[in-house]
Amino acid sequence: AAGVIQSPRHLIKEKRETATLKCYPIPRHDTVYWYQQGPGQDPQFLISFYEKMQSDKGSIPDRFSAQQFSDYHSELNMSSLELGDSALYFCASRPRQGAQNEQFFGPGTRLTVL
Amino acid sequence: AQKVTQAQTEISVVEKEDVTLDCVYETRDTTYYLFWYKQPPSGELVFLIRRNSFDEQNEISGRYSWNFQKSTSSFNFTITASQVVDSAVYFCALSEATSGGSYIPTFGRGTSLIVHP
Repeated sequence: AAGVIQSPRHLIKEKRETATLKCYPIPRHDTVYWYQQGPGQDPQFLISFYEKMQSDKGSIPDRFSAQQFSDYHSELNMSSLELGDSALYFCASRPRQGAQNEQFFGPGTRLTVL
Repeated sequence: AQKVTQAQTEISVVEKEDVTLDCVYETRDTTYYLFWYKQPPSGELVFLIRRNSFDEQNEISGRYSWNFQKSTSSFNFTITASQVVDSAVYFCALSEATSGGSYIPTFGRGTSLIVHP
């Protein structure tokens, strides 16, 4: 069965650089969620999109922005990277006809900021 | 205040021992969902179970079992006859409805389970 695809899987950046993380939801999933998990921490919700519109907003820094495109893939853009942005970034998607609580997580992108 | 409390930061057991991971949650909603996820060293989040607030039936899946008790706001997870492959961080999560009507999980801090051979 198809799963959520995240790319890249690993990314190394320098401080003050920018990074773009991509998420490709499972086919026929129209909602995408982004989470950030710092080292030794629990995943924290950043932002979500439904039908290309932002639906919920969590603890996303102002330096980050995200969008969902017409093919339902989503990108998380991170600017002026800081050491504290080093984390595992998860994307999750929800089926079009699925229950509100149902999310399928991707494998994550591990971002390291040096 | 933490909505999901996993008081055990780390548990160490020897293979074949039974182990219970505790989860206590806090919510004012009558409709909510509880989850357990496993995060092995490779990092991915593996979904284990979802329970809604109206279903207090305990569940067993192989060596895994879950005990949901609304009276004590707990959703504990037991692994019977633990194996080395069970070594991972286990997260309990609570989903409540947001103002937008969706359910976003709030995770506990996780319990690191180490199973020694």
